[in-house]
Amino acid sequence: ETGVTQTPRHLVMGMTNKKSLKCEQHLGHNAMYWYKQSAKKPLELMFVYNFKEQTENNSVPSRFSPECPNSSHLFLHLHTLQPEDSALYLCASSQGRNTGELFFGEGSRLTVL
Amino acid sequence: RKEVEQDPGPFNVPEGATVAFNCTYSNSASQSFFWYRQDCRKEPKLLMSVYSSGNEDGRFTAQLNRASQYISLLIRDSKLSDSATYLCVVNIGSSASKIIFGSGTRLSIRP
Repeated sequence: ETGVTQTPRHLVMGMTNKKSLKCEQHLGHNAMYWYKQSAKKPLELMFVYNFKEQTENNSVPSRFSPECPNSSHLFLHLHTLQPEDSALYLCASSQGRNTGELFFGEGSRLTVL
Repeated sequence: RKEVEQDPGPFNVPEGATVAFNCTYSNSASQSFFWYRQDCRKEPKLLMSVYSSGNEDGRFTAQLNRASQYISLLIRDSKLSDSATYLCVVNIGSSASKIIFGSGTRLSIRP
């Protein structure tokens, strides 16, 4: 069982819907991340939180809104998405903010119709 | 030029073969290096860190050449279960946005 849990695993939504992705880590890590993985493209960093403070926003459109209520939980709120936002959204955690040793959840596969 | 470049493959090799992947990075200030493995429709998982002196973990050997800005992964006696995409990851700075993932190299081991 992974130490990073993401729900839902699959999500289909229309462009006018509002939905949220949830991530929970059970590893006692300080930092949490949202990554986007599209077909045949490298992982793209979206947001970073360290001790529940946002430390990076990698020029992500405002239709993606992160929330980190504590060091163990991370949300990604979605609204008025576009079909090109369809991708695998991966949550990760790490002990430190800048380490390359990331522990990923299984991802939430999002399809925007 | 991409910050981290990998041959996308696919590499299709027989079981028991030795296979090597290469990765180049463009930023000479890069600080730390990793190989991740990603199975089809699964999340990436850390395979091993890459140290300057080279390091080995069972059948896997990682090498770093800072002068050439080149990282390699060697898999000996390959198993069917080694079939996956191997991601080269480079940490080029002091923030998380500087953890750069390569696009990955696909490996398929045939019986």
